[in-house]
Amino acid sequence: SAVISQKPSRDICQRGTSLTIQCQVDSQVTMMFWYRQQPGQSLTLIATANQGSEATYESGFVIDKFPISRPNLTFSTLTVSNMSPEDSSIYLCSVEVGREGYTFGSGTRLTVV
Amino acid sequence: GESVGLHLPTLSVQEGDNSIINCAYSNSASDYFIWYKQESGKGPQFIIDIRSNMDKRQGQRVTVLLNKTVKHLSLQIAATQPGDSAVYFCAENNPGGYNKLIFGAGTRLAVHP
Repeated sequence: SAVISQKPSRDICQRGTSLTIQCQVDSQVTMMFWYRQQPGQSLTLIATANQGSEATYESGFVIDKFPISRPNLTFSTLTVSNMSPEDSSIYLCSVEVGREGYTFGSGTRLTVV
Repeated sequence: GESVGLHLPTLSVQEGDNSIINCAYSNSASDYFIWYKQESGKGPQFIIDIRSNMDKRQGQRVTVLLNKTVKHLSLQIAATQPGDSAVYFCAENNPGGYNKLIFGAGTRLAVHP
């Protein structure tokens, strides 16, 4: 199965600032997915990133708040912009790898103070 | 690390007993389902999957049952061990215009010696 590396693993940020999260995969994948997991909750899909095109955002998520880059088939970034304490969550990157289903990174634990 | 599943329903079982975790999914068009296990501080880990043309699939100590009539999925864990303590999520693949994985609410499994 694919191996996903996410950076940073955790961060504490000041409100009003932005944080960019990196996701690196050890194989080429078509689709990369970004999820948010609020404290004690399930995972919610933010957007799907396809290389060479704009990301597709789910209802309730907008590009201005969560801009995504997908410069090649092994890498993507998610930026959490103009952060508020409500953005404190775990942000997870995921990829679909053929018959092996979906694999997840270990996540970025963000605390906004 | 952060505790996953603080606000999720909890299933408490004795070590050695069988566990059954249930999940209702939302989209009758979903064609693929996955159970994930998430331990504190980690991303979701694949346990077992099932396609919509099947009713049952067995793995090592785990069985997934799919009832498409009532849109219900269950995960059975045989001879539950302390290491099985975690939060368990079901997820459904929505084919739509492109594949994406949508997560259910999750259940915290607590195994007592």
